[in-house]
Amino acid sequence: AQKVTQAQTEISVVEKEDVTLDCVYETRDTTYYLFWYKQPPSGELVFLIRRNSFDEQNEISGRYSWNFQKSTSSFNFTITASQVVDSAVYFCALSEAGRGSYIPTFGRGTSLIVHP
Amino acid sequence: GAGVSQSPSNKVTEKGKDVELRCDPISGHTALYWYRQRLGQGLEFLIYFQGNSAPDKSGLPSDRFSAERTGESVSTLTIQRTQQEDSAVYLCASSPRGDYNSPLHFGNGTRLTVT
Repeated sequence: AQKVTQAQTEISVVEKEDVTLDCVYETRDTTYYLFWYKQPPSGELVFLIRRNSFDEQNEISGRYSWNFQKSTSSFNFTITASQVVDSAVYFCALSEAGRGSYIPTFGRGTSLIVHP
Repeated sequence: GAGVSQSPSNKVTEKGKDVELRCDPISGHTALYWYRQRLGQGLEFLIYFQGNSAPDKSGLPSDRFSAERTGESVSTLTIQRTQQEDSAVYLCASSPRGDYNSPLHFGNGTRLTVT
């Protein structure tokens, strides 16, 4: 069975601090995708990034970076120089290729609060 | 283009009443998902539609919950005899092909309050 754990329920930082959101997953499949979504206070979840299980290269997009490590089953998300607009709930999700219907499993989310 | 549209955005109902929640996916998206998000909780899968295949109903919490989808367009989630524990935000999402590497496109959700 697939499982996603986001152990950090809430993180509070001051603007310009760096912050890392943890995501640990469990799967028996060798082929899968990992995703991060952002849910701002307005409510709509927005897709940020996906990574397949065969690509362990880290990715950087502006102030955002993602570190995928199969050895520790983790897909962590770092925001550099955080801003107030980064305040949101962030969800990590896992989708397995071997499952008959491709239904992503989501973690419980991490609420990030960035104070000015 | 237009995103996933859900209606109503808010619904307050009395315990025991039936409610219908509507989702209009992005045009051309064959896969449609319903999730439930309770206050402070993660996303709980409810049901998945993919094209003309039989839906995956494995996440529906009880037989009070049902959903239908017309072809590859509108979906309706129905909750019968609502209970207070049904209070949550109901999120609909669609994806182009419903395969494992497709990100989901979410609507703004319907906030259901059962009094």
